[in-house]
Amino acid sequence: KAGVTQTPRYLIKTRGQQVTLSCSPISGHRSVSWYQQTPGQGLQFLFEYFSETQRNKGNFPGRFSGRQFSNSRSEMNVSTLELGDSALYLCASSLNPDRNTEAFFGQGTRLTVV
Amino acid sequence: GNSVTQMEGPVTLSEEAFLTINCTYTATGYPSLFWYVQYPGEGLQLLLKATKADDKGSNKGFEATYRKETTSFHLEKGSVQVSDSAVYFCALRGPYGNKLVFGAGTILRVKS
Repeated sequence: KAGVTQTPRYLIKTRGQQVTLSCSPISGHRSVSWYQQTPGQGLQFLFEYFSETQRNKGNFPGRFSGRQFSNSRSEMNVSTLELGDSALYLCASSLNPDRNTEAFFGQGTRLTVV
Repeated sequence: GNSVTQMEGPVTLSEEAFLTINCTYTATGYPSLFWYVQYPGEGLQLLLKATKADDKGSNKGFEATYRKETTSFHLEKGSVQVSDSAVYFCALRGPYGNKLVFGAGTILRVKS
């Protein structure tokens, strides 16, 4: 069974630009969550989608947005990039939103803003 | 809100030494608990989980027991290998909302 696929693996963008990251969950999984990982702040929750609906959102500015498609694939978008947005963005896939359900992570997208 | 506290690293051990990484949590309700491992340049891999009090999660020689009375979920391994060198994250998932809440991570370095 294929794992969680995130594309692209690496991105370099300029301040002020926007970026779209993609996540394909494990087949059959309908819940997708996004996390930002930085050396200073650690792992922080961005948002979570289940069956195309955003169920939960972290404490990030409105420049960060996401969506989920009918095939459970998800995208996140960051507009007007800032230097502080440089991070590893991780997508997690779960069968459902139940607290007992394992979340499986992709390898992440490394975003560098210059 | 929910939170996870891990022992600070780095933890440096010799091969075949005993490993303990402490993890305590604060949560509303009854969370599920997880340990994840991250190797350099990689995403997070699920190492083990426990969903109720006194549950013991185990995988690849690693173990952790869900202790509700002490709100702890310490990770242990009897004999570490150089290949265990990585960053270990303790995490919880609460009953209200689906997000994982992570500790700061503990770097483990194993010397041969």
